[in-house]
Amino acid sequence: AQKITQTQPGMFVQEKEAVTLDCTYDTSDPSYGLFWYKQPSSGEMIFLIYQGSYDQQNATEGRYSLNFQKARKSANLVISASQLGDSAMYFCAMRLTRISNFGNEKLTFGTGTRLTIIP
Amino acid sequence: DSGVTQTPKHLITATGQRVTLRCSPRSGDLSVYWYQQSLDQGLQFLIQYYNGEERAKGNILERFSAQQFPDLHSELNLSSLELGDSALYFCASSVGTSGGPGRSATQYFGPGTRLTVL
Repeated sequence: AQKITQTQPGMFVQEKEAVTLDCTYDTSDPSYGLFWYKQPSSGEMIFLIYQGSYDQQNATEGRYSLNFQKARKSANLVISASQLGDSAMYFCAMRLTRISNFGNEKLTFGTGTRLTIIP
Repeated sequence: DSGVTQTPKHLITATGQRVTLRCSPRSGDLSVYWYQQSLDQGLQFLIQYYNGEERAKGNILERFSAQQFPDLHSELNLSSLELGDSALYFCASSVGTSGGPGRSATQYFGPGTRLTVL
């Protein structure tokens, strides 16, 4: 079974500073994908970034980057130059991606980190 | 906008009642997933459909059922509702492959249906 751990329930960061949200994962399967989603107070779940377990480079999407350390089983999200609109809940998630895992593609989520950007 | 639509956005009903939540996946996506988000359980996978067939089941109660129609929209039926069923219900969809690495594994979420059982 897969498990995601997010140890920071809440974080306060000054506007324009960089912020790192922690995520560790556990799986015995070598083929998996890691995701970060943002959930603003309005409730929708917004996909931010994806990292595959075989990807050689860390994923980047605009101001978001994923610090993937496979040996440590960590997939931290880094937001550069934070903005007030970044205030939200952030969820780390994973799913298996091997073809033989057909039928086992559910996302397993962490408990989330509530990020508050201070002006 | 993820391209996944869900209706209704809000639903308020009484205990013992039955409701139907509707989801339309992104164009071209064959897989539909249902998730429940509650304060005590967090985000939990309920069920997955792929091209009209049930593909995987998670922590879905027997009082809940779902289906995916030929046009690929999906409905989640919740019956004999209890106070504890109050939650945000999400539908998500992904590219119509059975698995595989890469961004095809990404699930895009709809805006959710907030269910309140009184």
